[in-house]
Amino acid sequence: EDQVTQSPEALRLQEGESSSLNCSYTVSGLRGLFWYRQDPGKGPEFLFTLYSAGEEKEKERLKATLTKKESFLHITAPKPEDSATYLCAVQARGGSNYKLTFGKGTLLTVNP
Amino acid sequence: EAGVAQSPRYKIIEKRQSVAFWCNPISGHATLYWYQQILGQGPKLLIQFQNNGVVDDSQLPKDRFSAERLKGVDSTLKIQPAKLEDSAVYLCASSPGMRGPNTGELFFGEGSRLTVL
Repeated sequence: EDQVTQSPEALRLQEGESSSLNCSYTVSGLRGLFWYRQDPGKGPEFLFTLYSAGEEKEKERLKATLTKKESFLHITAPKPEDSATYLCAVQARGGSNYKLTFGKGTLLTVNP
Repeated sequence: EAGVAQSPRYKIIEKRQSVAFWCNPISGHATLYWYQQILGQGPKLLIQFQNNGVVDDSQLPKDRFSAERLKGVDSTLKIQPAKLEDSAVYLCASSPGMRGPNTGELFFGEGSRLTVL
């Protein structure tokens, strides 16, 4: 069974204080790893897709990286508007439905 | 482009009552998903439709949950009878299809929050 573990569960940063969120996964052949952002009372919003170890994607202050066992979401000089829950999900090869398995998320709070 | 629409946004019911949630996906999206998100957890897939056919309902509690996708567009998720542990946000998502490189890029609605007393 595919498993996704995210750490830490919660992270509190000062504005401008860079850090990283971790997503470790177990999957029977990775087709893709996905990062989503979820604001309170909203549905998740897609951020990145990573397909192979060594791949990196960037968007504004966020950079996602992927190894064979984990992914990191690096946040550089965060701002209060980056506060949200960040969800990681994996998609396995094979099967007929390309189902996403989500982790529990990391709640990020950025204080001004 | 209009996003995924869901209603109602909030629903409070007593246990053993029934409830229905409605979802209208993004126009032209062939794949529709219903996810359950319990407080503090990540979304869990309940059912996935491709057009109006069910692709995966392995995690749907079929003794109480049912879902249908009318004419391959709108979808309804029903719970009957509800239990306390069904309290959660029910998220609907859609994507253009199940093939191609972006099958994990889902577009979510704002969700329907269910409280069972």
